[in-house]
Amino acid sequence: DQQVKQNSPSLSVQEGRISILNCDYTNSMFDYFLWYKKYPAEGPTFLISISSIKDKNEDGRFTVFLNKSAKHLSLHIVPSQPGDSAVYFCAASALETSYDKVIFGPGTSLSVIP
Amino acid sequence: EPEVTQTPSHQVTQMGQEVILRCVPISNHLYFYWYRQILGQKVEFLVSFYNNEISEKSEIFDDQFSVERPDGSNFTLKIRSTKLEDSAMYFCASIRTGNYGYTFGSGTRLTVV
Repeated sequence: DQQVKQNSPSLSVQEGRISILNCDYTNSMFDYFLWYKKYPAEGPTFLISISSIKDKNEDGRFTVFLNKSAKHLSLHIVPSQPGDSAVYFCAASALETSYDKVIFGPGTSLSVIP
Repeated sequence: EPEVTQTPSHQVTQMGQEVILRCVPISNHLYFYWYRQILGQKVEFLVSFYNNEISEKSEIFDDQFSVERPDGSNFTLKIRSTKLEDSAMYFCASIRTGNYGYTFGSGTRLTVV
């Protein structure tokens, strides 16, 4: 039961270029979406979020885009830096039915090459 | 910056033994969670805890699992009789109400042998 999908297990990008990480979801009840970054041997770190009433949210180098009709969101990192190399998890929650449970995708491992 | 602290960082236990994983959430946070990640798999929700009781739990969180907030600062996950398939990284997380960016701890790697 994969409610949150990240179909690319890995991605390599040159330093300075744009990284685009994609995420698809199946549950139409999801109304809040988050991206987490995880380094080895550490817990996930919250990066950026977006509510379903928006289609874009920007925070510095990170921008999340949401296409509700396609049930798709993406995280753009511009410009990519070597320190961005990590596993990125897309996550979603349905505030109406489950106030505080967040469902994670399987993650995409990003490598930024100097 | 406030942190969620988990101990131990690594626990090895015999199958069938009880383990207690400990977490100290951020002091003014109100919601507490346990998630786990089996090696190579996704981060999975186990349980959420609010106002001294479980608010939601997943199908993974069966009768072998329990959570407690014994003293207002610690938040523990107990596995009564561990199985090999319980081997995973267990992450504790907490949030202050209204903010859905959890703060996760660094995790406890549980190895059941």
